[in-house]
Amino acid sequence: GQNIDQPTEMTATEGAIVQINCTYQTSGFNGLFWYQQHAGEAPTFLSYNVLDGLEEKGRFSSFLSRSKGYSYLLLKELQMKDSASYLCAVSRNTGGFKTIFGAGTRLFVKA
Amino acid sequence: GAVVSQHPSRVICKSGTSVKIECRSLDFQATTMFWYRQFPKQSLMLMATSNEGSKATYEQGVEKDKFLINHASLTLSTLTVTSAHPEDSSFYICSARSSGGGGTGELFFGEGSRLTVL
Repeated sequence: GQNIDQPTEMTATEGAIVQINCTYQTSGFNGLFWYQQHAGEAPTFLSYNVLDGLEEKGRFSSFLSRSKGYSYLLLKELQMKDSASYLCAVSRNTGGFKTIFGAGTRLFVKA
Repeated sequence: GAVVSQHPSRVICKSGTSVKIECRSLDFQATTMFWYRQFPKQSLMLMATSNEGSKATYEQGVEKDKFLINHASLTLSTLTVTSAHPEDSSFYICSARSSGGGGTGELFFGEGSRLTVL
């Protein structure tokens, strides 16, 4: 089996920086994804990490430490439209290639 | 990027009827597609892996006779919710990887289908 843990909710101020953490336990690790999901919509891809380190893409960055089973998503210069759920998802290559999602972190950005 | 289209986006049906949801990969071939279900304020739960030309692989606790999956071609997978009941009301989302073997690459999601069973 596997476990993916992330905080349920976070609140941050417009213009600030927020870090959303994710810890996981899995066999056959094959990469970690972050997705953004607005209410009532399908998830949209943000990042993919398969090697240790930081991947930066505009205002969003994602970090992975495989030895610690840990990742974070960093959002800079927060905007109101960033209010959404952020899903941490782990890809595994045992028992078929599957991507399993964490419960998601609901981020509220306030003015 | 790759496009996955899902239809219908919303469906309301009476209890006891069956509903079919289609998932198409529009600009790539997908030998494997995935079906997820999402209840309000919860995350996506993997229901099954749809394999082109063979039987779907269901996750533990998912009734294969209730959720029929057919992957008839490299671009189409269908999910049929048979004898739907109000507790089946949920957001159903399909996804596929754009890359070939190896299992890497991002998942592209369909728009989702919101099923309401009265």
